[in-house]
Amino acid sequence: EVQLVQSGAEVKKPGESLKISCKVSGYSFTNYWIGWVRQMPGKGLEWMGIIYPRDSDIRYSPSFQGQVTISADKSITTAYLQWNSLRASDTAMYYCAKQAPCSDEICPFDYWGQGTLVTVSS
Amino acid sequence: EIVLTQSPGTLSLSPGERATLSCRASQSVSGIYFAWYQQKPGQAPRLLVYGASNRATGIPDRFSGSGSGTDFTLTISRLEPEDFAVYHCHQYGRSGTFGQGTKVEIK
Repeated sequence: EVQLVQSGAEVKKPGESLKISCKVSGYSFTNYWIGWVRQMPGKGLEWMGIIYPRDSDIRYSPSFQGQVTISADKSITTAYLQWNSLRASDTAMYYCAKQAPCSDEICPFDYWGQGTLVTVSS
Repeated sequence: EIVLTQSPGTLSLSPGERATLSCRASQSVSGIYFAWYQQKPGQAPRLLVYGASNRATGIPDRFSGSGSGTDFTLTISRLEPEDFAVYHCHQYGRSGTFGQGTKVEIK
């Protein structure tokens, strides 16, 4: 059974750093791109970027390039999303999601984590 | 970046009715790079349709996708109680972007 289990909710202050995780099981972690999606309160989904765990090749959305860092540790089948300096506007639910098999680099997401709520407030 | 605009923002319908959801892209998108998701409150999205018209595994045949170029449609032929949710479109041809969502609510 494919599972993506994300780390728990976080409450942080502006300027703090944060790294959230997405532990994967039930499929070959290194064979599929895995991505991150933001959902701000009451809003739609935003595609942030994807990583190919086999070689850590990464594609960022222009909107998130330089704002976050996506990484992966294939030894423990875990993907990460990291901020160096959080802002209040980073308050959102963050989902990791596995890309479906397809013939291209960017594909739809067929399995999703349960989401990690990040709250940034002074 | 390709911008996806969904309409209407909210669709108020009764069970058994037909729902037609629209998604318009700011630039042409190849249909093979277009998907739809369903999201219920407190849950992660679920893939419904990919490649514009292919149902994902386990998705009932009352859900159908169509479209090409800049205009795509998700149709739910007869709404079941469990279909009342928010629906998101997604293009993955160039980078990836989502629409802002359409809420299908009970009238």
